[in-house]
Amino acid sequence: DAKTTQPPSMDCAEGRAANLPCNHSTISGNEYVYWYRQIHSQGPQYIIHGLKNNETNEMASLIITEDRKSSTLILPHATLRDTAVYYCIVRVATGDMRFGAGTRLTVKP
Amino acid sequence: EAGVTQSPTHLIKTRGQQVTLRCSPISGHTSVYWYQQALGLGLQFLLWYDEGEERNRGNFPPRFSGRQFPNYSSELNVNALELEDSALYLCASKGPNFYEQYFGPGTRLTVT
Repeated sequence: DAKTTQPPSMDCAEGRAANLPCNHSTISGNEYVYWYRQIHSQGPQYIIHGLKNNETNEMASLIITEDRKSSTLILPHATLRDTAVYYCIVRVATGDMRFGAGTRLTVKP
Repeated sequence: EAGVTQSPTHLIKTRGQQVTLRCSPISGHTSVYWYQQALGLGLQFLLWYDEGEERNRGNFPPRFSGRQFPNYSSELNVNALELEDSALYLCASKGPNFYEQYFGPGTRLTVT
């Protein structure tokens, strides 16, 4: 699986959009981009995934660049409960997942 | 719909002992994945089972093993426990027609 690079930490003001970047410059054509988050030692929670088109669901939006070498997870209106470690993972559809260090997002009042 | 369940929630073992952790996937899910998360570290992939077969394993010694039963539940066995095996062990399941994995709450193992 391709490796990903994420900033170790980010802050965001409550109510503002949180934009979390991820670089995956060696992604293969059949690899998807997945985002999960983990809140304080709970099991990771699936957020969203995409292949090449932008995706949106009730939790977030995923913007993937045209060359697929990077992506951005957008939480449109961050709340204090969104404080978590966010993981960007690239993998083939049915493979196992290799988690990196992720980005620790802190939402501040 | 019930999520992924794991048992026990916590347990304490001593060095050299053996432990078995259990995971029940979401109904209809056929794949089970095991991960280890040591304190303050990221998730490390351990094992992947699908339809009763081991499909892949991470970079862990053979004393980490497991199996998947016909009802798709799974066990993770760790023999000859070492202090560094202390961690949160997470199980995730995935359905055959879906891409995302759903995680259980984990089992926190402490080795003394």
